[in-house]
Parts: sequence; structure tokens; C-alpha cells
Amino acid sequence: DVKVTQSSRYLVKRTGEKVFLECVQDMDHENMFWYRQDPGLGLRLIYFSYDVKMKEKGDIPEGYSVSREKKERFSLILESASTNQTSMYLCASRLPGGEQYFGPGTRLTVT
Amino acid sequence: KNEVEQSPQNLTAQEGEFITINCSYSVGISALHWLQQHPGGGIVSLFMLSSGKKKHGRLIATINIQEKHSSLHITASHPRDSAVYICAVISYGGSQGNLIFGKGTKLSVKP
Repeated sequence: DVKVTQSSRYLVKRTGEKVFLECVQDMDHENMFWYRQDPGLGLRLIYFSYDVKMKEKGDIPEGYSVSREKKERFSLILESASTNQTSMYLCASRLPGGEQYFGPGTRLTVT
Repeated sequence: KNEVEQSPQNLTAQEGEFITINCSYSVGISALHWLQQHPGGGIVSLFMLSSGKKKHGRLIATINIQEKHSSLHITASHPRDSAVYICAVISYGGSQGNLIFGKGTKLSVKP
């Protein structure tokens, strides 16, 4: 079974803090993705990576950065958290052309 | 206009009813996904299809490429089917095959 895990299910951070969200997949997938999900807006792509050290901006990259130093791990970084980054964050991975597998999500609250 | 439109947005059914959720898209696609999200956040891939019909248990997904339309059917619905169902497409020429998501259909099945 493909497994995508995320470092935290729930996270509370203060405005201005640096926040790291980690995602690990165990199926040697090339492609990895970070989304945020907000009521009424659906899933929106923040960043994706199709190989180690490769990254591409998605639809809403502002305020975020990513790191992919190893194939199995894709990290999302909020350099200076703001209240409008309170959201559900979902990581996903897949082989090119294959099914997409999602992590359980991290519900981040920025106060 | 959204590239992927789902209907209805919300659906309430009685246990045992036959349910249909519709998805229309406006771009050329290489594949369409149906995803399920239960309360609590985790997203599971139900189907990936590019033509015809697929069946898994009580779930059936169909796609009509010419009409740019897909349906997800649930036979003999059960309260455990209560979830948000999300349609997503991979467009031709889309950057690295990223998914374009519909906003989801929230299904509630009453006992």
C-alpha cells in the first residue's frame, strides 16, 4: 500500500513564526505536491516537485517555499506565518500518469 | 468560469437510494479522477479513468470524452458513504500533469 505521511495532524503557530510541514512517501514516486484546502475554494496547488531538488510554483506560491532534498521527502515552509495561512494543508504524490495518493492533512492555525 | 464544475454542491439522500454526482470540464484531458474526502481531511482516490466505465463495489464511474462529462454513481447508498466527492482532471499539456479540481459535492446519507 502506498503511504503518504505528514508530520503533524494539527498545528498552532503564532504570526511571524517560521513553520515547517513535512511530507514523506514510501513508494518512490517522482511527483510530489502541496495543496491548501479552504471552504468554498476547494484544493489549490501551492508548489509541486517532479524530481529531487526540482520545484515548480503552483497557483498560490506567495508566502511559501519548498524543499526536496530526498526523493521521498517534500517540505513546505512558511517563512513568516500569517493569519491568512490558517488552512488545511495536504501533501500528495504519484508516478507520472498514475493515481494520486494524499496524506492525512495538517490543519494549521496561525494566531 | 471554473474549468471543472460539479453538481450538485450538496446532496442529501436516504439510505438505500441510488446517487449520481456529475462533473463537467471545459479542457481537453488525458485522465479524470474521482476522489473521496471524509470528515477529518484524508483524501482517497476512488477512480482514475480516461474512457468508458469503471466499477468498484457499489461505486461506478463513467466518462464521456466527447461531451466532456463524467458521473459517479453510488448504488444502495449507506451512511458511511457520507463524504465530499471531488472530481479532478489532468489536462493535455498541463504542467507536469497537475490535477485541476472541482469544488466538491458534499453527500450526506441519512439512515
